[in-house]
This record gives sequence, C-alpha cells and structure tokens, in this order.
Amino acid sequence: KAGVTQTPRYLIKTRGQQVTLSCSPISGHRSVSWYQQTPGQGLQFLFEYFSETQRNKGNFPGRFSGRQFSNSRSEMNVSTLELGDSALYLCASSPKTGSGELFFGEGSRLTVL
Amino acid sequence: QQQVKQSPQSLIVQKGGISIINCAYENTAFDYFPWYQQFPGKGPALLIAIRPDVSEKKEGRFTISFNKSAKQFSLHIMDSQPGDSATYFCAANNAGNMLTFGGGTRLMVKP
Repeated sequence: KAGVTQTPRYLIKTRGQQVTLSCSPISGHRSVSWYQQTPGQGLQFLFEYFSETQRNKGNFPGRFSGRQFSNSRSEMNVSTLELGDSALYLCASSPKTGSGELFFGEGSRLTVL
Repeated sequence: QQQVKQSPQSLIVQKGGISIINCAYENTAFDYFPWYQQFPGKGPALLIAIRPDVSEKKEGRFTISFNKSAKQFSLHIMDSQPGDSATYFCAANNAGNMLTFGGGTRLMVKP
C-alpha cells in the first residue's frame, strides 16, 4: 500500500503570499489531519477532516484553513504568510476518526522570506 | 491541561543499553498514548501505542509502561542499536485524531 503523499515537498514563499499544500492519504483512510512542526513549538495540531467535514481545529489563526474532497484527498491553505509560518507541515491519515493511530507523510517544508 | 511533558530532551546510550524516555500528562480524558519515531527528513512513524486500561505493552525491543494514577507513561528501548538513533515523540489523544505531542527526545546510540 502506498503511504501518505504530500506535495510539494519544499517551497519558498514571501511574506503576504498564500500557499496551498496537498495530501493524498493511504487508500481507504477517511481521516486526514494536519500538523505543524517547528523547532520552537514542536508538533502542533492544525485540523482534522473526516468524510469532508472538519472534525477538530487547533489553536491557529483563521489564515490557516483546509478542506477534504470526496476521494479523501485534502488540502490546506495559509493566506497572508508570515515569517513565523516557516515550518514543516505534516499530513497524517487514519482509517477512522477517534483511533489516534496516525500515519504521517514526509511533510511539506515551507520557508517564508 | 492539554500539555504532554516529555523528558529528557536528549539522551546518549551505548549500544546494547536501555533507553528510557518519560512522559507526563494532565488531561484525564486522554485515551490513547502512541509513541512516534522520526528520522531526519522524514515524517513521524508510529512505533507503539497503549490504551489506559493496560499497564504495559511490549513489541520486540520496545516497551511502553503506563501508570494511570500518576498520569505518566514511558518508552523503554532494550538492547539499543545505532539504527535507533532518532527523535522520539510521545503523544496523547482524546478527541477525533487530535494528538497532543510531547516536546521530543533526541536519542543517540553510540556504537
């Protein structure tokens, strides 16, 4: 089975721009979660989608948004980028919500200049 | 109340030794406690996990010990190998798939 696929793997943006990151979950997995990883704050939960519905949202500003499509693929968007948004953005999929058993992709590394 | 505190931040162990990483939590609603292993440039990979109705779980060289009353859990890596050198994260889950992670432990196993 193919793992979680995230694109792009690396990207560089400037302040004020917006970015869209994509995630393809493991086949059959309906839950997709997003996490931000930084050296200072560690791994922080952004949001979870299950069956195209946002189930949970972390403590991030409204500039961070996401969605899930009917094929379970997910995208997250960050608008009006700030320097502090530079991070590794990780997507994780799970067969169901509530299990806590997550399978992570390799992440999209965003650098904001 | 959502925090998970992990220690130590870094750990150096000789090959063949035992690596021990500890975590503590406050939120008693947490019901699933996984450990993740992360190598540089890779995403975290699920290593082993436990639910609070069990006090210990062993998978190969990896063991989780869980103390519900103390709200603590730990990872033991027996016969540590250089290939185990990675960053380890404990986590806790209580709603959906919303994991709260510890700060991570960078493990180095010396040959």
